[in-house]
Amino acid sequence: DAGVIQSPRHEVTEMGQEVTLRCKLISGHNSLFWYRQTMMRGLELLIYFNNNVPIDDSGMPEDRFSAKMPNASFSTLKIQPSEPRDSAVYFCASSFAGRGLSGNTIYFGEGSWLTVV
Amino acid sequence: KQEVTQIPAALSVPEGENLVLNCSFTDSAIYNLQWFRQDPGKGLTSLLLIQSSQREQTSGRLNASLDKSSGRSTLYIAASQPGDSATYLCAVQGTGFQKLVFGTGTRLLVSP
Repeated sequence: DAGVIQSPRHEVTEMGQEVTLRCKLISGHNSLFWYRQTMMRGLELLIYFNNNVPIDDSGMPEDRFSAKMPNASFSTLKIQPSEPRDSAVYFCASSFAGRGLSGNTIYFGEGSWLTVV
Repeated sequence: KQEVTQIPAALSVPEGENLVLNCSFTDSAIYNLQWFRQDPGKGLTSLLLIQSSQREQTSGRLNASLDKSSGRSTLYIAASQPGDSATYLCAVQGTGFQKLVFGTGTRLLVSP
């Protein structure tokens, strides 16, 4: 299996521009997570989907951030307009959640390194 | 609100030493606890997952223990090697759904 695939791996953009990060889940997984990692705050969960439905988006910083799952294997995280404080590594992760959303191993992609100047 | 703390923040040891990384969490109502490894510029690799009903899990030179009542977990690495150098993160998953709360990590350096 190819694992969780994220793109782009690195992006440098100017403040005010729209940024779209993409993620392909591991085949057969039904849960999708977007995390953000910074030196100051560590790893923070932004949003969690199960079976394409957003379950918890309480970690999404503000309205400039939005996430979608147009199908069962793909997700996007969009920042519009971007700001320098959005600079971070954005990780996508997936797993298979059984009935009751039970816990299983979560697999991470290699991250999208975003710099907003 | 669940808080996860890892001690020490950084650790440097010579090759061959056995070592212990510590993780503590404030809310004992967890579903499981996972230990991850993160190499510089890379994503997270899951090392061990301990369900709340379990006391420990082993994989090769790694052994993770869980004491849910006291809110503690340890990751034991036997006969450390330079290739073990990385940041190790623990994360707890609460009941209800799969939200993982991460610690800030322990940065390990194993010198040849």
